[in-house]
Amino acid sequence: DIQMTQSPSSLSASVGDRVTITCRASQTINTYLNWYQQKPGRAPKLLIYVASSLQSGVPSRFSGSGSRTDFTLTISSLQPEDFATYYCQQTYSYPITFGQGTRLDIK
Amino acid sequence: QVQLVQSGAEVKKPGASVKVSCKASGYTFTGYNLHWVRQAPGQGLEWMGRMNPDSGGTYYGQKFQGRVTMTRDTSINTAYMELSRLTSDDTAVYYCARARSPDSSAHYYWGQGTLVTVSS
Repeated sequence: DIQMTQSPSSLSASVGDRVTITCRASQTINTYLNWYQQKPGRAPKLLIYVASSLQSGVPSRFSGSGSRTDFTLTISSLQPEDFATYYCQQTYSYPITFGQGTRLDIK
Repeated sequence: QVQLVQSGAEVKKPGASVKVSCKASGYTFTGYNLHWVRQAPGQGLEWMGRMNPDSGGTYYGQKFQGRVTMTRDTSINTAYMELSRLTSDDTAVYYCARARSPDSSAHYYWGQGTLVTVSS
């Protein structure tokens, strides 16, 4: 199985900050990497697919980059509604695997 | 609009089985793979497997092999996930999720989740 490792596991930041979350795959996954946002009690929401494509309706302050094994999710200017948990996911091969999550809290 | 509506919460005893349904609407049911993902309380997301509603073909995560069965009824646009030999570790919210496009595995549409509690 491909292991996905996110860092940091948690992060405190302020409104307006620029935030970067990283995700590393245990082997190459080309660009088959997706990012999700999850708020308490809600289903995850797809933000970015194939590493850098912004899902329709997602604010442009979210961006993704990377390929092969190293990927990043960047939020250019944090808004109050962005405080949530973020997960990366590889869909390069089965079984599909998720990172352990990054919890983003208000500082 | 696309909707995935799941069945309600369940309470099961250890050793029992649970069957969760996921009713799809707003799109061609057989055109997109359906995935099942679970989340234990306070924990991360865990992919369980996927089903091709057209062929009925499945791929299960190794952790669930032998205990999970994913099926569908195309006449009522509904997918099912049955998990047997339940233990307390199976207490979780179970989600169905539809692929973003026919050739994608990114999970775009999600059901509302079904809480399964395993307790004696």
